[in-house]
Amino acid sequence: SQKIEQNSEALNIQEGKTATLTCNYTNYSPAYLQWYRQDPGRGPVFLLLIRENEKEKRKERLKVTFDTTLKQSLFHITASQPADSATYLCALDRNYGQNFVFGPGTRLSVLP
Amino acid sequence: EAGVAQSPRYKIIEKRQSVAFWCNPISGHATLYWYQQILGQGPKLLIQFQNNGVVDDSQLPKDRFSAERLKGVDSTLKIQPAKLEDSAVYLCASSSDRGRQETQYFGPGTRLLVL
Repeated sequence: SQKIEQNSEALNIQEGKTATLTCNYTNYSPAYLQWYRQDPGRGPVFLLLIRENEKEKRKERLKVTFDTTLKQSLFHITASQPADSATYLCALDRNYGQNFVFGPGTRLSVLP
Repeated sequence: EAGVAQSPRYKIIEKRQSVAFWCNPISGHATLYWYQQILGQGPKLLIQFQNNGVVDDSQLPKDRFSAERLKGVDSTLKIQPAKLEDSAVYLCASSSDRGRQETQYFGPGTRLLVL
């Protein structure tokens, strides 16, 4: 069956460290993978998109990798700050860039 | 640019009652999505509109849920009758159609509690 898993329900790290979040999928062949941030009581906010032929994408302190052989994406936040505390969702497409399906999310807490 | 608007923000009803949610997407966005997000889970797509036509409603429980997007702008999602398991946040999102893999812009959601 099709499945999207994100490494853990919650991740606690110390301020200044690098947070690494994992998104694994089975029985999907996504052409695109997106990462979103969701704060309590709010809708998800788009952060980054990576295509199947891209190995890595960066935006400021954020870095995403996409390994279609391992069926995995890694999301890194370098020099993490308490303001980065939120739930992070990965989403992948089911139909060449359309019909994105979301993972369960990882709740990140950056401790001062 | 105004974001995606949703109302109401909160709703409490008893089971077997009906409820409706409203969404106004970002101006000019042709694609509109309704998602259901149960506590601790990621959003689950219920229905996707392209203008006023339905693109995907495969996960919409059609015996109790209905949605429409008249004139290809605003949309309403209705539940009738509601069940306890419908308690969730209902998110509306929109995207433009300049191409595929477009970013989805989400509204704040409507939090529904069914007692």
